[in-house]
Amino acid sequence: DQQVKQNSPSLSVQEGRISILNCDYTNSMFDYFLWYKKYPAEGPTFLISISSIKDKNEDGRFTVFLNKSAKHLSLHIVPSQPGDSAVYFCAASARGAGSYQLTFGKGTKLSVIP
Amino acid sequence: NAGVTQTPKFRVLKTGQSMTLLCAQDMNHEYMYWYRQDPGMGLRLIHYSVGEGTTAKGEVPDGYNVSRLKKQNFLLGLESAAPSQTSVYFCASSKPGTAPNQPQHFGDGTRLSIL
Repeated sequence: DQQVKQNSPSLSVQEGRISILNCDYTNSMFDYFLWYKKYPAEGPTFLISISSIKDKNEDGRFTVFLNKSAKHLSLHIVPSQPGDSAVYFCAASARGAGSYQLTFGKGTKLSVIP
Repeated sequence: NAGVTQTPKFRVLKTGQSMTLLCAQDMNHEYMYWYRQDPGMGLRLIHYSVGEGTTAKGEVPDGYNVSRLKKQNFLLGLESAAPSQTSVYFCASSKPGTAPNQPQHFGDGTRLSIL
């Protein structure tokens, strides 16, 4: 039973346009959400996070939106650049014991076309 | 600026052989983790450690053992390798605290094939 779902395995976007990556979760105990970016042959790197007490967090070109009632979050990249081409993983963490443990989605491969 | 270093980067084993994957971090992190990533799957936690001398099971611990004898090292062992353990293994480390404040730092992975 997948608790963190990224239903789009891949996404193609033109350079300069907006990229929107989506993530849904089922566990109502999740209260921290993170996005990791992964290039081929490298490990994932932390990109941006959001706590459940917020509905938006922004860092430069990257913004994460959280809709708790819908159990949905999204990562917006504006403007998209070719260097953003990577696999993006959504991850969630639950409050309480083991809050450092992350549950990952399957990832979405973003291709930014020059 | 090493961060998290995994050894080896690639390995091919025969069914039944044993091996140990080494993870070393130079960030003085308390927490360390081992994940596996299979095609079309997210990262799944195998084992983790919240400090030197302590380990705990994650989501998919069967067939693996771990040890954390030194704070900077976390070893993942396969006692009798099986083809189902063919995967890419990632080690990660973090400071104590909640996930957004102390994100995990990952190594570049070990690609393991079991024939």
